[in-house]
Amino acid sequence: GAVVSQHPSWVICKSGTSVKIECRSLDFQATTMFWYRQFPKQSLMLMATSNEGSKATYEQGVEKDKFLINHASLTLSTLTVTSAHPEDSSFYICSAITRLGFAPYNEQFFGPGTRLTVL
Amino acid sequence: LAKTTQPISMDSYEGQEVNITCSHNNIATNDYITWYQQFPSQGPRFIIQGYKTKVTNEVASLFIPADRKSSTLSLPRVSLSDTAVYYCLVGDYGGATNKLIFGTGTLLAVQP
Repeated sequence: GAVVSQHPSWVICKSGTSVKIECRSLDFQATTMFWYRQFPKQSLMLMATSNEGSKATYEQGVEKDKFLINHASLTLSTLTVTSAHPEDSSFYICSAITRLGFAPYNEQFFGPGTRLTVL
Repeated sequence: LAKTTQPISMDSYEGQEVNITCSHNNIATNDYITWYQQFPSQGPRFIIQGYKTKVTNEVASLFIPADRKSSTLSLPRVSLSDTAVYYCLVGDYGGATNKLIFGTGTLLAVQP
């Protein structure tokens, strides 16, 4: 199946710094990627939808100036957490959609996640 | 987007068959039903997807009644490694948005 990677897998940073997380579709082109955030023992929360070559669409309550998303190519989307604070510490997961073979529907593939810890 | 409801947790023993039911009363005509598995500190992993009736693959079966207002994920002969959170999602996979909204999921605990 299709593979989505994330880098880094974990990152620790100081409060006030910015952190960039990359999401790559390794063997397919993804016109749309999604970014999720997951706190301990909670479900995944959709943060934004990222479309190649256009501005991301953010879910209600997600600050677009704090969580900058860039989808510069069909295989790469980046999430930058600006001026990170301890409350931004979370597990960030991306996903990408594609249509494989003759399937009548798109499939969504998830990355392995990035653990962000802000001190 | 259709909302899903599933049990918060379930317990089972190795070798048993586990059935997890999900309710999605307001599922739309174009929506597909997909189940994902998630282990701690990992991204969700696709298990199975269907539109109606029954779908079976090498790891699970998915039963969908005619009204499509619910679905049941069946895991045959579970093992300890099947302990995970299982999410049921519905979405228009051929549509314009394709975004998935995750519900609470079901924490399956398999004991020896």
